[in-house]
Amino acid sequence: SAVISQKPSRDICQRGTSLTIQCQVDSQVTMMFWYRQQPGQSLTLIATANQGSEATYESGFVIDKFPISRPNLTFSTLTVSNMSPEDSSIYLCSVGVGQGAYEQYFGPGTRLTVT
Amino acid sequence: GEDVEQSLFLSVREGDSSVINCTYTDSSSTYLYWYKQEPGAGLQLLTYIFSNMDMKQDQRLTVLLNKKDKHLSLRIADTQTGDSAIYFCAERSGGYQKVTFGTGTKLQVIP
Repeated sequence: SAVISQKPSRDICQRGTSLTIQCQVDSQVTMMFWYRQQPGQSLTLIATANQGSEATYESGFVIDKFPISRPNLTFSTLTVSNMSPEDSSIYLCSVGVGQGAYEQYFGPGTRLTVT
Repeated sequence: GEDVEQSLFLSVREGDSSVINCTYTDSSSTYLYWYKQEPGAGLQLLTYIFSNMDMKQDQRLTVLLNKKDKHLSLRIADTQTGDSAIYFCAERSGGYQKVTFGTGTKLQVIP
């Protein structure tokens, strides 16, 4: 398994500002993922972040809005840029462990409210 | 694209068995997962099954997979109030390691 921490756990931000969310894992992992969970909804994959390469974004998500860094095998950041109230969501970091990275574990999430 | 469907709500009495169902469309799924999310918390990986298996048991949890019908179920034996949560089914596509989540089933356990 993997123990994942995220900072901040929650934040209230003003429209037009940016927030960077940090994700720290207790072991080295190749694959890290960022998800969004809008209120009362399921999870939507934003992007896959592998160390040493550019993040791969899913349809509907772009790098200018959600830049991601992956400087090493235990850490990643997701920035939510130029925020609007529609960005109010829980943002979750996830990692794949095991051979083939098929065991996927989640961090506790960052609850973002944009006013 | 991939699609994963679940019923939205299930209510059971404490001590009874719960069965949460899930259907998916991707025939190239390799792994299928069940996650639990309690209010205000992240997702907890409960169990997973490889697509060449049809059953997996882990203590009170039993996963059944019907690959022909693309149907996955999670049975919780002797359901407790602490099992009240939202349960997400998810599937991993074979070629690309993306995991697609279902809509979630809210399980309410009545004392």
